[in-house]
Amino acid sequence: GQQLNQSPQSMFIQEGEDVSMNCTSSSIFNTWLWYKQDPGEGPVLLIALYKAGELTSNGRLTAQFGITRKDSFLNISASIPSDVGIYFCAGPIFSSGSARQLTFGSGTQLTVLP
Amino acid sequence: NAGVTQTPKFQVLKTGQSMTLQCAQDMNHEYMSWYRQDPGMGLRLIHYSVGAGITDQGEVPNGYNVSRSTTEDFPLRLLSAAPSQTSVYFCASSYSNVVVGYTFGSGTRLTVV
Repeated sequence: GQQLNQSPQSMFIQEGEDVSMNCTSSSIFNTWLWYKQDPGEGPVLLIALYKAGELTSNGRLTAQFGITRKDSFLNISASIPSDVGIYFCAGPIFSSGSARQLTFGSGTQLTVLP
Repeated sequence: NAGVTQTPKFQVLKTGQSMTLQCAQDMNHEYMSWYRQDPGMGLRLIHYSVGAGITDQGEVPNGYNVSRSTTEDFPLRLLSAAPSQTSVYFCASSYSNVVVGYTFGSGTRLTVV
């Protein structure tokens, strides 16, 4: 079943505001990924985190790998209209053998108001 | 390069009908996966393949079949469509064991009436 709990489920913010969202798990992950999905498109990778405590930026986006390895955070600074979309956290799970697949959080729907 | 191509983009089926969702990638990726996306539930893994001739079940496999006869193609078959299969379906591919390398298609929106 779903292993990642993502919050908030949705956010309505004014253009220019900062945004924070997070993802928690009952299990330890050794990699955290953050994806963005634009309307009508598939998810696109924004940031990948590989080490507990790691802080990584991609433009106005900053993500952190929690030190317990059970959580991760994504911040967006100075939001703009094109930030609208669904943001997903994801992490690898081991399927049969050594094959790794991705499990996803339920997503945060971000709306940016002008 | 086209990346991951899914067809069709939209489909309406009647309950009980069967159909195949197509997925093709031109990046020579070993791993391919099918996910479904439902409101408030994120993406859930249906089936995946780690190479031609090898497939396995994901989290929600019931009602779906897959096969992988070539590296490039990974079709998803709905055997007898049900309204509960109304969803957006995404195909993804990656090089083996490189989690961050997953590339997603643009999705197929399926409605079963």
